[in-house]
This record gives sequence, C-alpha cells and structure tokens, in this order.
Amino acid sequence: AQSVTQPDIHITVSEGASLELRCNYSYGATPYLFWYVQSPGQGLQLLLKYFSGDTLVQGIKGFEAEFKRSQSSFNLRKPSVHWSDAAEYFCAVGSINTGTASKLTFGTGTRLQVTL
Amino acid sequence: GAVVSQHPSRVICKSGTSVKIECRSLDFQATTMFWYRQFPKQSLMLMATSNEGSKATYEQGVEKDKFLINHASLTLSTLTVTSAHPEDSSFYICSARTGARAGELFFGEGSRLTVL
Repeated sequence: AQSVTQPDIHITVSEGASLELRCNYSYGATPYLFWYVQSPGQGLQLLLKYFSGDTLVQGIKGFEAEFKRSQSSFNLRKPSVHWSDAAEYFCAVGSINTGTASKLTFGTGTRLQVTL
Repeated sequence: GAVVSQHPSRVICKSGTSVKIECRSLDFQATTMFWYRQFPKQSLMLMATSNEGSKATYEQGVEKDKFLINHASLTLSTLTVTSAHPEDSSFYICSARTGARAGELFFGEGSRLTVL
C-alpha cells in the first residue's frame, strides 16, 4: 500500500528566508507525486507535480520540488518565503498504473507559519 | 485551470436530518469525482470514488448507506449525509478528474458540515 510521511507538523520561518518541507513516500512502483497548498477553510490548490522526466520540477508561486528515488523523497523548496505562503501544505502520492493515478494518498500535512 | 465548485460551503443541521453537498465541474466534464473528508488539523481521507453513470466505489470503513453518492452527469456529483450525527461534522472536499488530464485533480473549495 502506498503511504506518505511528512515529518514536520509545524514549521515557522521568517519572511524572506528559505523553506524546505519534507516528504517521504512508500510505493512499490513509479509514483505520481504532488504538493498541494490549503489555506484555512479552503480547498486544495496544486503547487506542482512529478510524473516522469526531470527530477526537479517547478511549480507555481516560486515553489520547486526534487524527486529523489534513492531516498524516496519529494521535498518542497522555496528560496524566499512570503507572508502569504502561510498555509497547510500536503504531499500526496498516486499510483501510475492502471489509470488510477487520481486516487491519491495524502500526508498529514505541514503547517507553515511565516513571521514578519 | 479547471474549476470545481462545491455548494454549500457551510451547512449547519440538526442531528437526524440529511444534508446534501454538491460538487460541480464548471468548465470541463468530469468522468470521475472523488470525495474526501478532513478532520480538524488532519489530512484528507478518501471516502469514495464516483464515476458518472455507475455506482460509487467506497473506501474501507466508509458506510455506504450513510454517505450516499450520486454522479448523475458529467458535471455534477452529490454527497448526501443521511441521518447526520455530531460525529459526522467535518470538512468535506470533492475533486474531479478529466479523462484528458490523467493524474491531475482539481479540488473544490470544501464544505464544512456542523451537526448539532
């Protein structure tokens, strides 16, 4: 069964500082990997995704993530955080086989707080 | 990007009543929709997969008779919480997938249900 671990429940960074949110996954085959952001009381917005190819993927809002198969990781990074980035971030993994990639398993989320 | 809309965004009901939540894909046809449940400060848990014109597929542990899902058209899926109880209070989120965008989901804004 697939699973996702986000080790950090809560992270606080200063505005302008760099950010890295960790994500480790467990999956038997080649995974689809996603990062979503959720503002309070809102749905989820896709930041970026990895299906294949270049292991460094660029997303919206200046975010990027790197797929490292050897470490089973897909960490999210941003060089300079803005106060508006404060939100909950979810890593998710989907299966790549049998067309069921949309059936996602989510991590428990990391809440990002940005101090001014 | 594609837009998925949920209605109502918030609903309060009395214990024992039924509540219907709608999920609409506004600018694309969604052959498959997914319903998630999110408890406070927790991750999203997949409840069921809804395919247009067929019965929904429920995840293990989800009561089919309590959470009725109907996907009558390519743009609308509904979740009905029957005989709601306070423990059903939660944030319900739907997502939709188009056939052309395999592996990419679009999420609704979520519906917060409070059962008194």
